[in-house]
Amino acid sequence: GAVVSQHPSWVICKSGTSVKIECRSLDFQATTMFWYRQFPKQSLMLMATSNEGSKATYEQGVEKDKFLINHASLTLSTLTVTSAHPEDSSFYICSAQGLLGGYTFGSGTRLTVV
Amino acid sequence: DAKTTQPPSMDCAEGRAANLPCNHSTISGNEYVYWYRQIHSQGPQYIIHGLKNNETNEMASLIITEDRKSSTLILPHATLRDTAVYYCIVRVGGGNAGNMLTFGGGTRLMVKP
Repeated sequence: GAVVSQHPSWVICKSGTSVKIECRSLDFQATTMFWYRQFPKQSLMLMATSNEGSKATYEQGVEKDKFLINHASLTLSTLTVTSAHPEDSSFYICSAQGLLGGYTFGSGTRLTVV
Repeated sequence: DAKTTQPPSMDCAEGRAANLPCNHSTISGNEYVYWYRQIHSQGPQYIIHGLKNNETNEMASLIITEDRKSSTLILPHATLRDTAVYYCIVRVGGGNAGNMLTFGGGTRLMVKP
């Protein structure tokens, strides 16, 4: 079945630094990738949608200059959290959509900013 | 996409069937019902989806009412590993790229020994 690899699974960084999270579709081409954020005991909230080779579309309230998304190929999308602050600590999850429309999620990245 | 309503939590005894309800009274004719689950600290996992007919796979069964305003996900023999948050999502189906999945609160299912 379709597999999405998300890396790293957890990361701790210092306040003010940047962190990059990778999302790869291993056995299919992902026309669209989605990035979600999930705070403790809350549901997943969509942050942005990215299509290969074009700029990401951000949801209202999500700072595009803080959460940089790159979708340079049909199998790789990255989310960079720039100048991270403690309030950015969260569980970040990517989802890849294949040509037939199915969604596959990565295993998530737990970011802790100290 | 149509909004869904699910009970926030449910308990189920191990080995018994778990029946998780979902209301989607504003569903449109071209919208599918999808079910995902999220085990603690993992990404969501696809379970099943359907349009109007009942569906069954190796994980679960999906029963959709005739008027399509509600559905029930059935885990026939729940195990402790089925403890998770279950999300019912309604969206347009097919290969429409860019149609995101919108997650509601889901149902936290606790399977007890």
